[in-house]
This record gives sequence, C-alpha cells and structure tokens, in this order.
Amino acid sequence: SQQGEEDPQALSIQEGENATMNCSYKTSINNLQWYRQNSGRGLVHLILIRSNEREKHSGRLRVTLDTSKKSSSLLITASRAADTASYFCATGPVTGANSKLTFGKGITLSVRP
Amino acid sequence: AAGVIQSPRHLIKEKRETATLKCYPIPRHDTVYWYQQGPGQDPQFLISFYEKMQSDKGSIPDRFSAQQFSDYHSELNMSSLELGDSALYFCASSLGKDQPQHFGDGTRLSIL
Repeated sequence: SQQGEEDPQALSIQEGENATMNCSYKTSINNLQWYRQNSGRGLVHLILIRSNEREKHSGRLRVTLDTSKKSSSLLITASRAADTASYFCATGPVTGANSKLTFGKGITLSVRP
Repeated sequence: AAGVIQSPRHLIKEKRETATLKCYPIPRHDTVYWYQQGPGQDPQFLISFYEKMQSDKGSIPDRFSAQQFSDYHSELNMSSLELGDSALYFCASSLGKDQPQHFGDGTRLSIL
C-alpha cells in the first residue's frame, strides 16, 4: 500500500550542511506527517502539515506541501551526526473514521561528522 | 512524558505457533493503531481502534486478530505463524482523528 515515492532513496552529507528530502503521494490527503526512525527502533513523529497548509517550521525542520503536485519536502538545516536515520513521509486519508497512515519508502540520511 | 509502551520487545517463535503482542497507549489517547514493518520495508497499517471499537482494517491476515480493552490497552493476537510474519510490529496512539500518531519502540518478532 505504498503511497508514493521518496527521493532520494539515500543521502549522505557533511555535518552542518542542509538536507532536503522529497516525498510524493497519489491520493487526496487530509494531512502529511514526517517521521524519523533510527535503525531497528520506533518511529519518532517530527511534524504534521495539513492539506490546507503550505509550509510549516519546527526548530531546524521545514516542511512544505504542494497538494497540486501531490508532493512534500522536508528540509533539515545545519545537520548533525545525530540526524543520521531513516526518514518516512506518511499520509492521512481524507475519508475514514480514523486516519490510518500510509507510508512511503524511507530515505536513509547519513550525516558525516 | 509518557510514551507508548509495547511488550515484549523481542519474541522468538516457531512456525505454526501463536503470539500475543501488547500495547499500552499514551494516557487519554483514544485511538490505537497497529503497523507491521518487514525488513527494509515501510510500515504497513494493520488495524486500528477508536474508543475500544475497531475503526479501520488494513492488510491484516485472517490469522491475526486484535482488540482493545476497557483500560485502552490493545493486544494483537497472531496464530499459525509463518516465516513471513517475521517483522517489527508497532503500536501507535493518537488523541483524536488527524492528530500525530506516537509510536512505541515495537516488538521484533522472529519466526524460526
């Protein structure tokens, strides 16, 4: 039930650089959420952006949403080695009693010290 | 702050055995979700409960069942286990619809 594609699949950057990850989806959505997952661990919620929002910030994170293109981007500024993880976007549907999330393929981010 | 608690963290079973995974949501959260994540895969939605009633069902095999109890904890019951059931099983909870889902650390189930 993959919703879409994330790109790049893997990203390696130097500490202090910015990291941009993109996500595309196929169906209409109510919201889009970004999660981080360290190897073999649980998913940590980063940020939620609703379908009527275009941009949202949280600390070093900036998320944009373009519903006309069915795409979202996650920007991590001034990256740190601790940001090394897999990042997933997940969409919540418009209809339904509860918003089950549909995840895209993860992006593996490596931040070199 | 309290998080979602899952138990056990690791579970090893043999084919055709049964397993029960438990989830304790964040206090006052009214919705519980179960997801399955195979090796190198993205999480796949299995089932959800709102106020102790099943609210949505995804790609959950008929061999699996789940319920939410009066204290809001949830259990995922898995029978006739197969090798392909080896995965990380996550529980998440949220306060209301369309709110962030908070995940537990998962149960790693290995089928031998």
